[in-house]
Amino acid sequence: AQKITQTQPGMFVQEKEAVTLDCTYDTSDQSYGLFWYKQPSSGEMIFLIYQGSYDEQNATEGRYSLNFQKARKSANLVISASQLGDSAMYFCAMRELEGGFQKLVFGTGTRLLVSP
Amino acid sequence: DVKVTQSSRYLVKRTGEKVFLECVQDMDHENMFWYRQDPGLGLRLIYFSYDVKMKEKGDIPEGYSVSREKKERFSLILESASTNQTSMYLCASKARGDYEQYFGPGTRLTVT
Repeated sequence: AQKITQTQPGMFVQEKEAVTLDCTYDTSDQSYGLFWYKQPSSGEMIFLIYQGSYDEQNATEGRYSLNFQKARKSANLVISASQLGDSAMYFCAMRELEGGFQKLVFGTGTRLLVSP
Repeated sequence: DVKVTQSSRYLVKRTGEKVFLECVQDMDHENMFWYRQDPGLGLRLIYFSYDVKMKEKGDIPEGYSVSREKKERFSLILESASTNQTSMYLCASKARGDYEQYFGPGTRLTVT
């Protein structure tokens, strides 16, 4: 079963509008963490935001916020005031402990296109 | 700033060749990772290393091996490249105890 599910292969948004990228996860661990990474066409993965399972407040980093709903096992990324430079692939990932080692499990990604 | 570098951005190899992908990080990180990225599949973990000379299999280790002789360098080896190993390969590193992984720019490998 998929541990991280991103159901939107592609999303379109107009410049200056807000957009929500969906992410649901599956884990039985009590302690875990959710990440969002951005991958521009250059290929490098850029860390955007992190939410720990015990964090009570939703994480925010500038124009990025993570809408964490623990009971629903969702960790959606909200980008406010989209910019042309936000056009990229976005990956949701979960930190999990396996065999004593911390690993990241990634979703399949959402391609965001921001139009003028 | 953390810097993770990979030896090549693009690489073309023939079937059956032995291929080395090199990754170097400059932040003294203990943990290093190799992923492959394919459309519709996201990133999948091939191997990781939690310290020098230590390695652990990830989710898709078949057809690959790794080497970590020095802390800053983690090599991915394709013993006999096959066309189904055509992919984007990403290296990452992180400090022990930290959560965030820092990624290199990726190597796009084509096996013909």
